Amino acid sequence: NAGVTQTPKFRILKIGQSMTLQCAQDMNHNYMYWYRQDPGMGLKLIYYSVGAGITDKGEVPNGYNVSRSTTEDFPLRLELAAPSQTSVYFCASSYSGQGGDYGYTFGSGTRLTVV
Amino acid sequence: GIQVEQSPPDLILQEGANSTLRCNFSDSVNNLQWFHQNPWGQLINLFYIPSGTKQNGRLSATTVATERYSLLYISSSQTTDSGVYFCAVETGDYKLSFGAGTTVTVRA
Repeated sequence: NAGVTQTPKFRILKIGQSMTLQCAQDMNHNYMYWYRQDPGMGLKLIYYSVGAGITDKGEVPNGYNVSRSTTEDFPLRLELAAPSQTSVYFCASSYSGQGGDYGYTFGSGTRLTVV
Repeated sequence: GIQVEQSPPDLILQEGANSTLRCNFSDSVNNLQWFHQNPWGQLINLFYIPSGTKQNGRLSATTVATERYSLLYISSSQTTDSGVYFCAVETGDYKLSFGAGTTVTVRA
């Protein structure tokens, strides 16, 4: 049982380049999330999905796009990378069940540097 | 949105010491969780605790929902307890809002 798998672990992008951060989970969780963590800060929600075909913006969505074609996969797309997107990106998943323990599980993160 | 404040921002402990971390939140919550981010960056779910008290080994947590705060206790600290401890809350939409964290350094 792999949990939440993120690839790549590290990446250096040049300003203006694009890339996709991959995230896959094998726990059959309905809910998936993308967060970014800037140095010395807590995590901020970029996008989330409550099921295949459904996505919504979080706190800091500008400059990113997502899709959710399957329950397992939730890729994050960066278009026209900017230095402000230098951060560590975490994918997470949980199962539905409002009011209970959601089984929140995080991936190991992708460290992205834009130069 | 809901505000989540953690204190202290930094904590340095001698191995074997006890400590208390605090999380204050500005509104009623459906969910409160404590996470530990180890020095390698991995986030581990410690407690789901919207109210009451829970214990897991040397760690325990208490949430007083009516007064909008939660406490995380570390007893007999070990060097492996080092890292950043995050409090995160959710208000009914499955999205967690994180505090800025408390960085704990345990010295041998």
